[in-house]
Amino acid sequence: DTEVTQTPKHLVMGMTNKKSLKCEQHMGHRAMYWYKQKAKKPPELMFVYSYEKLSINESVPSRFSPECPNSSLLNLHLHALQPEDSALYLCASSPTHAGTSPYEQYFGPGTRLTVT
Amino acid sequence: QKEVEQDPGPLSVPEGAIVSLNCTYSNSAFQYFMWYRQYSRKGPELLMYTYSSGNKEDGRFTAQVDKSSKYISLFIRDSQPSDSATYLCAMTESWGKFQFGAGTQVVVTP
Repeated sequence: DTEVTQTPKHLVMGMTNKKSLKCEQHMGHRAMYWYKQKAKKPPELMFVYSYEKLSINESVPSRFSPECPNSSLLNLHLHALQPEDSALYLCASSPTHAGTSPYEQYFGPGTRLTVT
Repeated sequence: QKEVEQDPGPLSVPEGAIVSLNCTYSNSAFQYFMWYRQYSRKGPELLMYTYSSGNKEDGRFTAQVDKSSKYISLFIRDSQPSDSATYLCAMTESWGKFQFGAGTQVVVTP
């Protein structure tokens, strides 16, 4: 089973709201990722967690705050977003952690976020 | 110059034809290569991954890597309308950070 689940599927929020995106995997993967994808563009890496520790932060604005409470769960907390943050937010997981191979990542279906 | 180049298409083929997709790259340190399929408004689905040069086959899909030419390919045999999607190549030299191609939109017409 290579399933990564994400909730909610769709989210509309105002610029003053606080909301959270949730991602879960039960494959025993030890690395989890957040990506942002705009229409007709490839995914852009935001954050990577390895063994529940933040391993990579791609200089993402502080209005995005990741959290990894345990090895199966990844959250993305959103606050004071801008309309240009509207995108598909994808979560992914991989069976290996920093420094080991193979490297393949399995993606969830995404949360479509609209900021008004 | 982008690290990974991929023609965005669209690539239109009749049902039953072979779909040929490719990516070129500039970073000779890339050693792990993947192909993803993404349907509209869905997350990418991993199709194939290969390590270093060579061929790999899985059902109707064949992935090829030519590191000397910095060129990777994906072939889809006996294409079906359900293969209509965007195909993304991705590659990495180390754990964590992938470089994605722009994605090629494929349309298989009945």
